[in-house]
Parts: sequence; structure tokens; C-alpha cells
Amino acid sequence: GENVEQHPSTLSVQEGDSAVIKCTYSDSASNYFPWYKQELGKRPQLIIDIRSNVGEKKDQRIAVTLNKTAKHFSLHITETQPEDSAVYFCAAPFTSNTGNQFYFGTGTSLTVIP
Amino acid sequence: DAGVTQSPTHLIKTRGQQVTLRCSPKSGHDTVSWYQQALGQGPQFIFQYYEEEERQRGNFPDRFSGHQFPNYSSELNVNALLLGDSALYLCASSLAGTFTGELFFGEGSRLTVL
Repeated sequence: GENVEQHPSTLSVQEGDSAVIKCTYSDSASNYFPWYKQELGKRPQLIIDIRSNVGEKKDQRIAVTLNKTAKHFSLHITETQPEDSAVYFCAAPFTSNTGNQFYFGTGTSLTVIP
Repeated sequence: DAGVTQSPTHLIKTRGQQVTLRCSPKSGHDTVSWYQQALGQGPQFIFQYYEEEERQRGNFPDRFSGHQFPNYSSELNVNALLLGDSALYLCASSLAGTFTGELFFGEGSRLTVL
């Protein structure tokens, strides 16, 4: 399988500041890395992902960077807003003949203080 | 477009009982994965079903079993319930053969074992 570690477990930032969450993975064959946001009592939802053939991907205030050599990837949220408060999970795949099977980090609880 | 639907949303059982959880995948998806999410933790992979067969399995005992039907819907069964089985059970659907195998989650079934 895959071993995914995520840090920090909790993060508090002032509104407008940036937040960074980091994950490491173990399987060098992993080729796709999604990030999920889970609001309280809600389902995890994909917010951004990156394939292994690129080093960075941006979508408005959210970006993900990938370092395949070091086997780590990070989520960057700029100009944070109170609605960014949620638990964020990274994931990495173990690939089988039916596709990717995902292993998740333990989550980062982000609080944006107005 | 119907997303992933799960039932029931909440249920309470006592130790030793058995439970069945149900999932209908997103329209067009053929693969169903089940995850257990304990409070404050990331989703833990239980198993994946494709073409009505269990294709991948995580580190869960045989008390956890499942089934996939010809219409791609799926059931998760847990026998001889333990207190530690209390968790949110998430169903995620995906489409086999795609590069990313992006997961779409249901809202989950929250199981409480007393």
C-alpha cells in the first residue's frame, strides 16, 4: 500500500494570511495527488489535484506543489477567508488494475480567524 | 446528475449486532470504494468493488464484507460489531480506466455502537 503523513494536524491563521499544509508519501510509483476539503458534517470534496508530470498547479487562491524526488507535496492557500475553515486531507494512490486506490493523511484542521 | 447516495445516514447498534450500509454510485461510475473515518482521523480504506468483485482490500478484518450489484450499487456489511467500529462510513465512487480515478464521496453513514 501507501503511507501518507500529513502536517500540521491543526493550523490557525488570521484572515488574509497564507496557510500551508504538507504531506509525504512512500510509494515512488504514485502519480496523482488530490487534496480534499471536509467541512463539519459534510462529505470530503476534491479541491485541487496534481499529476506527477508537473511541479505546481494553481486554481485561484489555492495551489499545490509536488517534489517527486523528496516524495512530498503541499497545499497552499493564499488570502485565507473564514469559509476556508475546514479539515483538509491529502491523498496518494496505490495503483491496481482497476485504477487508483487512495490512502489519506490524518487531516489538518484549519481555522481562519476573522 | 445524481451524486453518490448512502443510506442510512445515522444508525445505532449494540455490540455483537450486524449492520448493512448501502451506496449508490455517481451516474456513470462503475467502481465503489468504502472508507471508515473515525472521529478526528482521515478516511481509512476498507475495500474496493469493481465488476461485482472485491478487487482491493485494506487492513480490516473479515468481519467487514461487501457486495456490488449489477447496477454498480454496493453494500458494506459488518458482523459482530465492536465499540471501535463506531465511525463515519464513507462510500466513494470512481470510473475504472481513468488516469486519476478521482473519488466522489457520499455524505456517509454514521454508525454508533453502544
